[in-house]
Formats: sequence, structure tokens, C-alpha cells
Amino acid sequence: AQSVTQLDSQVPVFEEAPVELRCNYSSSVSVYLFWYVQYPNQGLQLLLKYLSGSTLVKGINGFEAEFNKSQTSFHLRKPSVHISDTAEYFCAVSDLDGGYNKLIFGAGTRLAVHP
Amino acid sequence: DAGVIQSPRHEVTEMGQEVTLRCKPISGHNSLFWYRQTMMRGLELLIYFNNNVPIDDSGMPEDRFSAKMPNASFSTLKIQPSEPRDSAVYFCASTLETANEQFFGPGTRLTVL
Repeated sequence: AQSVTQLDSQVPVFEEAPVELRCNYSSSVSVYLFWYVQYPNQGLQLLLKYLSGSTLVKGINGFEAEFNKSQTSFHLRKPSVHISDTAEYFCAVSDLDGGYNKLIFGAGTRLAVHP
Repeated sequence: DAGVIQSPRHEVTEMGQEVTLRCKPISGHNSLFWYRQTMMRGLELLIYFNNNVPIDDSGMPEDRFSAKMPNASFSTLKIQPSEPRDSAVYFCASTLETANEQFFGPGTRLTVL
């Protein structure tokens, strides 16, 4: 079964600094990869997804992620963060195991952007 | 589109009471998921419906939990009797079977005293 590891439970960063949130998944023949963001007291919102093709994926709010098959990683990056990016970020993987697009989520990384 | 709608947004109840959470998926979506989010266990899939039929309920914790989808626009998750350890945020998500992105509702924060 697939599993997802988010290596950092919390990431503090100053406003306008770059940030990287790390995500590793267990190997499989082919996977779909996602990053979701959860703002306080809200549901999850898709930031970006990798299905196939270019390994560099661009999402909303200036975020991007790079799929690295050899390292089984899908790290999320943003070159300059804003206070409004403070939220919890979830990496998820789906491999159609079980016959449907079942999402397996990581434990989440809390990004705290300080002025 | 209004997105996935969940009600109530907050529920406080006493141990032993029946709790019913409701979800209206996005119109046209044929797949619906119920998740539970806690600090200890993170996001867990409870049950998956496709075309109103439960396909995977392996995540339902025990017999106290039940879910139904009587039609394409409505689903319920019921806990009877409720226990304090059921306190969590419950999310509903929907999607098209052929798509990959799941659209999440705002969640119901359940507190069982």
C-alpha cells in the first residue's frame, strides 16, 4: 500500500523568504501526486497535481512542485512567501490501488509565515 | 457552483447521542468520500461511494458508524451511539470518477462530551 511522508511537521519562515515543504512517497509503478492546502477552519483546496508529463508542476498562489521519480519525492516550493500563505499543507498520493483514485495523505506540514 | 456543502458546520453533543452529518456533493459528480481528521491520526478515508453505491467502507471504524447515499445529491454519515473519541472534523469530498482532483467541503467539527 502507498504511504506518504512529510518530513517536517512545522516550518517557520519569514515573509518574502523562499520555502520548501518536503514530501516523499513509497514507490509504485505509477502514481498521481497532489498538494492540498488547508486554511484555518476550512476544507482542503488543491494547490497542484502531477499526473504525467513535465516533472515541474505549477499551481495556484505561486507554488510549484517537482516530481522526482528516482528519489520518490514531490517537494513543494515557493520563491517568496506571504503572510497569507500561513496554513497547513498536505501531500497526497493516488495509485488506483483498489480500483479507484484513493488518496493517501501525509500528516501535514504547518507553514507559519512571520513578518 | 456552490461547491461541496456540509451541515452542520459545528456539532456539540453528549456521549451516547446519535449524530448525523450531511453532505451535498457538487452537481454532476458521481464519486463521494467521507474523511475524518484528527490530530493523532491525520486525514483518514472512512468510506467511498460511486454512483450512490458504497464501494470501499474499510475505513469505517466500527459498527457505530454508518453512511448512506440515497441519491446523487445527498449523503449522510451517522454515529450511534457517539463517544468522546469520535470528536474530530469530518470532511466530505466529491469528484468525477474519471477525474483525479477531489473537491472538499468545509467540514463538520464534531465534539462529543
